[in-house]
Amino acid sequence: KAGVTQTPRYLIKTRGQQVTLSCSPISGHRSVSWYQQTPGQGLQFLFEYFSETQRNKGNFPGRFSGRQFSNSRSEMNVSTLELGDSALYLCASKNWIVNTEAFFGQGTRLTVV
Amino acid sequence: QKEVEQNSGPLSVPEGAIASLNCTYSDRGSQSFFWYRQYSGKSPELIMFIYSNGDKEDGRFTAQLNKASQYVSLLIRDSQPSDSATYLCAVEDIDSGAGSYQLTFGKGTKLSVIP
Repeated sequence: KAGVTQTPRYLIKTRGQQVTLSCSPISGHRSVSWYQQTPGQGLQFLFEYFSETQRNKGNFPGRFSGRQFSNSRSEMNVSTLELGDSALYLCASKNWIVNTEAFFGQGTRLTVV
Repeated sequence: QKEVEQNSGPLSVPEGAIASLNCTYSDRGSQSFFWYRQYSGKSPELIMFIYSNGDKEDGRFTAQLNKASQYVSLLIRDSQPSDSATYLCAVEDIDSGAGSYQLTFGKGTKLSVIP
């Protein structure tokens, strides 16, 4: 059974640019959540999507957005990149039919220069 | 704001010893608790979850939950050098109205098992 797949694994962007990250959840999982991990702040919740709807959003500026497609794949977008957006972005997949734990993808390492 | 606190470590234990990792949380209504292991440069990997007060054992790992004290712990018996990693405690909060959930993480305890 395939796990959570995130692409790309690494990205280098320049300040002011925008970036789109992709996440394919475990087959059958309809909930996709995004987290940002930095050395200073640790893992912080960005947002959660279920059946193409954002159900919850963390305390991040509007530059951070996302969406989910009908096949449960999700994308996260960050516009007007800042140096502080450099982080490991993690996607988590959860099966709500059976209330199981969340499984993480390998992450996308974003570096803003 | 809901908080999850862990000692950052590093916690050093000799190979074969018991490693004890602790976590406290601020929301008395929290129901589900998770321990993730994260190797340097890798993503978090779930190793244990616990929902009920008491102990839950899985191989060399035992999770302990005390909701009255708002305290969760993870014991690793017969620690191995391969257990050297950062251990993240996570508390799940479910919004039953919105049907959503989110995990609040501690900042992790770095464990080093010395051969």
